[in-house]
Amino acid sequence: GDSVTQMEGPVTLSEEAFLTINCTYTATGYPSLFWYVQYPGEGLQLLLKATKADDKGSNKGFEATYRKETTSFHLEKGSVQVSDSAVYFCALSETGGYNKLIFGAGTRLAVHP
Amino acid sequence: GAVVSQHPSRVICKSGTSVKIECRSLDFQATTMFWYRQFPKQSLMLMATSNEGSKATYEQGVEKDKFLINHASLTLSTLTVTSAHPEDSSFYICSALESLGGYEQYFGPGTRLTVT
Repeated sequence: GDSVTQMEGPVTLSEEAFLTINCTYTATGYPSLFWYVQYPGEGLQLLLKATKADDKGSNKGFEATYRKETTSFHLEKGSVQVSDSAVYFCALSETGGYNKLIFGAGTRLAVHP
Repeated sequence: GAVVSQHPSRVICKSGTSVKIECRSLDFQATTMFWYRQFPKQSLMLMATSNEGSKATYEQGVEKDKFLINHASLTLSTLTVTSAHPEDSSFYICSALESLGGYEQYFGPGTRLTVT
């Protein structure tokens, strides 16, 4: 079945460092791909998404490109801030997100001043 | 953005008792809500899809008689864990599907259930 694998955390960075969180997927069809972020005490929020190969999702300085050839959707940010400290989840959906979401295990990011 | 609440945020109950968790969409109507379960350091696993006015659809391996779902209105879905056991201890998260703005799931903050 479909699955998502993302790098284990925690990831600890200094402010203004470059961030990469790896995510790879296995799917039978052509899924939509998502990154969600969960700040402490809050629900998951959609950070960005991509619906087809070579699409780039971007939001709040974060980017991820849908790479069909490597079945990957790595999250990147050029300069992280303390406020980016959170748990990041990679996910896929075979139905564009209006039905079942399959999540990776989550990666905790801690950014220090 | 759209807001989804869950109540309670934490609950401790004794083995054999039942616990009800509420999920509410506060500023939009949701014909579809989802219930997920998250084990420590693991991903969220979809338990069931809740549709307003109809029976929930459960994922394979989820006991529907143990995890009762009721979606009685367009803003409220409830999950009742019946005859709870320690292995039911987990983090339960709901989401509500907002369909007017492009089919996005909005998530509640989760409920930590501990069964003693």
